[in-house]
Amino acid sequence: ETGVTQSPTHLIKTRGQQVTLRCSSQSGHNTVSWYQQALGQGPQFIFQYYREEENGRGNFPPRFSGLQFPNYSSELNVNALELDDSALYLCASSSWTSGRAITDTQYFGPGTRLTVL
Amino acid sequence: AQSVTQLDSHVSVSEGTPVLLRCNYSSSYSPSLFWYVQHPNKGLQLLLKYTSAATLVKGINGFEAEFKKSETSFHLTKPSAHMSDAAEYFCVVSPGFQKLVFGTGTRLLVSP
Repeated sequence: ETGVTQSPTHLIKTRGQQVTLRCSSQSGHNTVSWYQQALGQGPQFIFQYYREEENGRGNFPPRFSGLQFPNYSSELNVNALELDDSALYLCASSSWTSGRAITDTQYFGPGTRLTVL
Repeated sequence: AQSVTQLDSHVSVSEGTPVLLRCNYSSSYSPSLFWYVQHPNKGLQLLLKYTSAATLVKGINGFEAEFKKSETSFHLTKPSAHMSDAAEYFCVVSPGFQKLVFGTGTRLLVSP
């Protein structure tokens, strides 16, 4: 069984640039959630994707957007990067069917460390 | 809105002594509660979860937690700390499977 993987592991960007982070879900899971973890804080929910559509969103501006692909992998895109976007971005996978969770447990990847200069 | 409060930002113990990490939750109905652990520069690993079955939940690496509705608490315990337990621990509530709401974390320090 393959766990959640994320790429790249580290990334350095400058203010105003755009970034794309990638996530492959755990085998058998069809739902991907993204979280932002600023230094010294707990992770904050960004959004979740199920059946290639956004299935819930946290308090993040529209410049945070995402995609989910038919193989259930996902991308997180952030436009117009700001210094405060520097954080560890975590992807988590779980499993849904017909509007209910098969598992309420989310399994996390190792994260992508984004630094904005 | 559902939330969790971790009562200690840091806990220091000696190797071989008991561990207690405290968490209180706020929920209008029976919640799903979790404890996750994060080692330095690593992702989050699930320790255990409560989903309205047995109130005493056993997890990995000797950790367990007890759901107490009357006290709205979900404290994490371990009888004997090991050096490898040093990490950040997060108490988490799930409002409805779409997202997880994390506490602010407790850093566990284990001294020899």
